[in-house]
Amino acid sequence: DAGITQSPRHKVTETGTPVTLRCHQTENHRYMYWYRQDPGHGLRLIHYSYGVKDTDKGEVSDGYSVSRSKTEDFLLTLESATSSQTSVYFCAISDRGEGNQPQHFGDGTRLSIL
Amino acid sequence: AQSVSQHNHHVILSEAASLELGCNYSYGGTVNLFWYVQYPGQHLQLLLKYFSGDPLVKGIKGFEAEFIKSKFSFNLRKPSVQWSDTAEYFCAVLDTGRRALTFGSGTRLQVQP
Repeated sequence: DAGITQSPRHKVTETGTPVTLRCHQTENHRYMYWYRQDPGHGLRLIHYSYGVKDTDKGEVSDGYSVSRSKTEDFLLTLESATSSQTSVYFCAISDRGEGNQPQHFGDGTRLSIL
Repeated sequence: AQSVSQHNHHVILSEAASLELGCNYSYGGTVNLFWYVQYPGQHLQLLLKYFSGDPLVKGIKGFEAEFIKSKFSFNLRKPSVQWSDTAEYFCAVLDTGRRALTFGSGTRLQVQP
């Protein structure tokens, strides 16, 4: 399995609190992604990064921000968590982001916002 | 924007039955297509991928998929399922601009012993 570590694995927090999820990779891959998984929606892209300090929005980016100060770390922040952000969050990595180099996924973070 | 449709949301089969899961995509240009599997409580794992060449793609665990450009389809097949194939299956297409995946909503497969 690709060297991807997500932390924390589980978190319960209250509405209005800030939350930061971390994705750490040991593969030195250029591309990193944050997806959320919700029943009936599959996985949807929140933000992605194509290099250190290079990030862009995905299809469901409202309420989320990201940072990538080092190749190996990609942080996802919920500035003020809402109940609609209760979900399972997956980080993924890819070397060149091309079709013949598929993405590899982390084990996920289950986030519950009460 | 690209989209992916998986019309079978929940499929129940008996062991040894044949499987075909539908996947249709919207993009008309060059496509890179994937099937991922997610076993209960686990992360997504790649089953197979198509990016060029032979439209019949073979993957792990006896799965295969056929890319039919004229039908915008990439259906997943397995001739004989096992109880251990119980999982959720996701079809995805690569957004070559963002180099990120667009997923279908998934198909939950339940194989009964």
